[in-house]
Amino acid sequence: KAGVTQTPRYLIKTRGQQVTLSCSPISGHRSVSWYQQTPGQGLQFLFEYFSETQRNKGNFPGRFSGRQFSNSRSEMNVSTLELGDSALYLCASSPTDAGRGGYTFGSGTRLTVV
Amino acid sequence: SQKIEQNSEALNIQEGKTATLTCNYTNYSPAYLQWYRQDPGRGPVFLLLIRENEKEKRKERLKVTFDTTLKQSLFHITASQPADSATYLCAPGNYGQNFVFGPGTRLSVLP
Repeated sequence: KAGVTQTPRYLIKTRGQQVTLSCSPISGHRSVSWYQQTPGQGLQFLFEYFSETQRNKGNFPGRFSGRQFSNSRSEMNVSTLELGDSALYLCASSPTDAGRGGYTFGSGTRLTVV
Repeated sequence: SQKIEQNSEALNIQEGKTATLTCNYTNYSPAYLQWYRQDPGRGPVFLLLIRENEKEKRKERLKVTFDTTLKQSLFHITASQPADSATYLCAPGNYGQNFVFGPGTRLSVLP
C-alpha cells in the first residue's frame, strides 16, 4: 500500500512569505502529526490532527497552523516566514494513536527560507 | 519538563559486534517507548514499541528493554552490519498525547 506522501519535497521561500505543505497519510489512518527537524533542535512536535480536530499542539508560535480534511489529508501553513523556519518538515500518520503501533513518516519537505 | 537523553551523539562499532544504545528520560512516566531509525534526508522509520508492563521485546536482530524504575530503555542490535549505520531515535509516550523524540544516536558500523 502507498506510504505517507508529502509535497513538495523541496521548497525555497523568501522571508515574510507564507507556505503551505501537504501530507497524504496512509489510507485508513486518521491521525496525522507534523514535526519540524533541524540539526540543532532535533525533531520538534508541531501538532496532531485526528478526525479533522487538532488533538495535540506543540510549543510553536501561532504562525504555524494546520488542518485536516475529511479524507484525512492534512496541510500545514507557516505565515510570515523567518530564516529560522528553514528545516525538514515531517508528516507522520497512524491508524488512531501512535502508541498502538508507531508512526509511519513521510520523506519530508525541505524548506529553505532565504 | 520532560527530558530525554540518548547515551551519546555518535557510536562507532565493528561489524559483527553488538551495538547498545541507551535512552534515559526524566520528569516523565511513559506508558510505552518507541524506537525509530532515521537515514539522512529521510523520515524516521518505526522499529519497535515496548509497553511499560513489558520488560523486553525482540524483532530479528533487535532487542529492546524498558526499565521504568531506572527510567531507561536499552536498544541492542546484534551481529551489526554496515547497513545498520543510521541515527536511532527513542520516543517515550502516553496514549492520546504527543510524544517527544530524543536527540538520537548516530551509529556507524565499520566493516
